[in-house]
Amino acid sequence: DVKVTQSSRYLVKRTGEKVFLECVQDMDHENMFWYRQDPGLGLRLIYFSYDVKMKEKGDIPEGYSVSREKKERFSLILESASTNQTSMYLCASSRPGASSEKLFFGSGTQLSVL
Amino acid sequence: KQEVTQIPAALSVPEGENLVLNCSFTDSAIYNLQWFRQDPGKGLTSLLLIQSSQREQTSGRLNASLDKSSGRSTLYIAASQPGDSATYLCAAGNNRLAFGKGNQVVVIP
Repeated sequence: DVKVTQSSRYLVKRTGEKVFLECVQDMDHENMFWYRQDPGLGLRLIYFSYDVKMKEKGDIPEGYSVSREKKERFSLILESASTNQTSMYLCASSRPGASSEKLFFGSGTQLSVL
Repeated sequence: KQEVTQIPAALSVPEGENLVLNCSFTDSAIYNLQWFRQDPGKGLTSLLLIQSSQREQTSGRLNASLDKSSGRSTLYIAASQPGDSATYLCAAGNNRLAFGKGNQVVVIP
């Protein structure tokens, strides 16, 4: 089975801190995604990547950046954390293009910004 | 832009009843439609994937159908159990899936 591992289950940070959320997948997937999930708003796509060193903005990229230096690792960076970035962050991966390819999720990081 | 809707947001059923969850989407040009389960505070677990060329998929007590022409999918859970209590999300699209907000289900023993 595909495993998508997020480095932290819970994280508490201060306003203005630089925050790194790490995600690693072990199935050689080309596609990787970062979502945030908020009550009443559902899952919203922040950034995604189709290959190493490639990235594309999702629906809500403001205040975030990403890094994909290796195929298996996709990092989400909050340059200067703010309280409105308190949320559940979910990483996912998949193979590109084929209609039979499932999306696999990590267990999530609950980030609190104080 | 693809929009996915799931109604109702929450529902409760007695144990043993069949569950029917509905999902609608606005753009029929999709690779596939996927149903996920999410337990509180956890990530999403893939349940079923229906390719755009298929009409339905089955796994155990779960059956999902897809009608692209009407932009609808239905997840059917037979003989519900308390362990089926969770939030169920559907997602539709191509490489970039759009998610509904989910149906929060409580199965009452």
